[in-house]
Amino acid sequence: DSGVTQTPKHLITATGQRVTLRCSPRSGDLSVYWYQQSLDQGLQFLIQYYNGEERAKGNILERFSAQQFPDLHSELNLSSLELGDSALYFCASSVDLAGGGEQFFGPGTRLTVL
Amino acid sequence: AQRVTQPEKLLSVFKGAPVELKCNYSYSGSPELFWYVQYSRQRLQLLLRHISRESIKGFTADLNKGETSFHLKKPFAQEEDSAMYYCALRPSGSARQLTFGSGTQLTVLP
Repeated sequence: DSGVTQTPKHLITATGQRVTLRCSPRSGDLSVYWYQQSLDQGLQFLIQYYNGEERAKGNILERFSAQQFPDLHSELNLSSLELGDSALYFCASSVDLAGGGEQFFGPGTRLTVL
Repeated sequence: AQRVTQPEKLLSVFKGAPVELKCNYSYSGSPELFWYVQYSRQRLQLLLRHISRESIKGFTADLNKGETSFHLKKPFAQEEDSAMYYCALRPSGSARQLTFGSGTQLTVLP
């Protein structure tokens, strides 16, 4: 599959814990975006990286952080988890920053915090 | 800040009937508008964008800057159109993230 991949598919953990979600962009895409989809908030932009650098920040909590590695894969770290963090976390990638380009979405990681 | 509103959470139509999914936006600059679709158990995918002015799977959407709307239309709905539809806005400038509406679940009845 040459599209955006995300691991794991499902994650169940307890409050107070820390988890890492992983995203591999499409081959050739330099931008990675993270979105959170919850029942009450809908699809919300969290953060964007371009070629290893943070480019834009949305409604991302201080307990959350992300990074993009030299091979362009990205990780979203969620710590001190709360029940309200339960959601579907999507990663998307696109070709470049200035031109924008179409964002291609991954299948998502479903996080359940018990 | 930009905002996208999709007033209908659920929409049901019969097969062969016209369908219109509403989308309104607020943004001070010149936005790019998109419709994304998520079929059951599939990932979110781009359906169409206003700059291309194309028809995809029989769907069209026209950007109305006066009414700040970008409604999605199809003259004859098909059962396979049943899905979740999201309207999204991308602002001009270097920050290219999408702002999504809350989505409309379309069900096309046989």
